[in-house]
Amino acid sequence: SYELTQPPSVSVSPGQTARITCSGDALPKQYVYWYQQKPGQAPVLMIYKDSERPSGIPERFSGSSSGTTVTLTISGVQAEDEADYYCQSTDSSDTSVAFGGGTKLTVL
Amino acid sequence: QLQQSGPGLVKPSQTLSLTCVISGDSVSSNSAAWNWIRQSPSRGLEWLGRTYYRSKWYNDYAVSVKSRITINPETSKNQFSLQLNSVTPEDTAVYYCASGQYGMDVWGQGTTVTVPS
Repeated sequence: SYELTQPPSVSVSPGQTARITCSGDALPKQYVYWYQQKPGQAPVLMIYKDSERPSGIPERFSGSSSGTTVTLTISGVQAEDEADYYCQSTDSSDTSVAFGGGTKLTVL
Repeated sequence: QLQQSGPGLVKPSQTLSLTCVISGDSVSSNSAAWNWIRQSPSRGLEWLGRTYYRSKWYNDYAVSVKSRITINPETSKNQFSLQLNSVTPEDTAVYYCASGQYGMDVWGQGTTVTVPS
């Protein structure tokens, strides 16, 4: 099955920039989506098609891609951004969906 | 919106059945996909499968559950369902339905399903 790799944790101070990476072999060919999940809640889509932001998502959230690695960047991190973040994509045949293992963002 | 229903306790070897009722969209949409995902502390978010309509119905299933899973669209009720057979305690998780055209932008509220040992 297709795998996406994320760092387990990232820590930043308020106002700094957090970068969360996601790696996968098919990422040059497939879109990546990013989700934020807070305890006890369902995930929320934060970025779609690598770098697009759904309506209502703050501008400080952005996505970028380079080869087999994509990055979620949170500029000017706020305390409310502390959450788990998951990347999601599909395999090269577009028949299997995969989530990364998740990254816990801690705001110091 | 997606509204989930189904039992929270399933005995080992039995079948887990959940339903996701759709409002504001159609299960027969030519652009959306209708997914089931589960989450446990040990496994994180795990995609189980999806159904979608593109002039005909398609299903994709995760390799890990492919021999035990069925996802069915129910057009008359505008909903879709999950059946997972021969459950074990390893299937204990929070189950979500989710949908979208690009990614999953609508999620159900989640159903905690326990399979006791």
